[in-house]
Amino acid sequence: LAKTTQPISMDSYEGQEVNITCSHNNIATNDYITWYQQFPSQGPRFIIQGYKTKVTNEVASLFIPADRKSSTLSLPRVSLSDTAVYYCLVGRDNYGQNFVFGPGTRLSVLP
Amino acid sequence: SQTIHQWPATLVQPVGSPLSLECTVEGTSNPNLYWYRQAAGRGLQLLFYSVGIGQISSEVPQNLSASRPQDRQFILSSKKLLLSDSGFYLCACDIQGEGAEAFFGQGTRLTVV
Repeated sequence: LAKTTQPISMDSYEGQEVNITCSHNNIATNDYITWYQQFPSQGPRFIIQGYKTKVTNEVASLFIPADRKSSTLSLPRVSLSDTAVYYCLVGRDNYGQNFVFGPGTRLSVLP
Repeated sequence: SQTIHQWPATLVQPVGSPLSLECTVEGTSNPNLYWYRQAAGRGLQLLFYSVGIGQISSEVPQNLSASRPQDRQFILSSKKLLLSDSGFYLCACDIQGEGAEAFFGQGTRLTVV
């Protein structure tokens, strides 16, 4: 699995857009980029996945440049309930894939 | 859709006692299964993963073991708990060949005293 690097923590205010960048310089051709969100005392939950360019769903957008060596999770107009740890994972979506989580980014949304 | 059941939600055990945490999966067959541990304020540490019945791979040498006696059952065990085994234990599954999304249970918070 490609190693990922994210900021340890970020602070934001309600209503702002938050962008969390993940570096994955050793990403392989078959690797997808997936982001998870974890609230305290809960298991992580899937947010979004992409391979290249831009992906958007009802929760977030994922921006992936052409070289795919980084990706940016964008959360529009965050609220207090978006306070959580966000993990970036890079790996293949094939049989036997292992999910290895890094330390993630702890996002604190302030009123 | 798949659902993961983990129990118990919380557990307090004395040092040296045995441990058995069970995880069962509904809504899919032949999943990949995972056990993770998360220390307070830390990231998730992958402990074990399994691609089939009786097939267990260990990521970290430790005081714990895992077994998969049935396709949708994954058990985490210890013969003698250590204080350092305290943490939040999560079971997860993903669907083989269908994408990179993992589904997590609600976790078990283990405190070894």
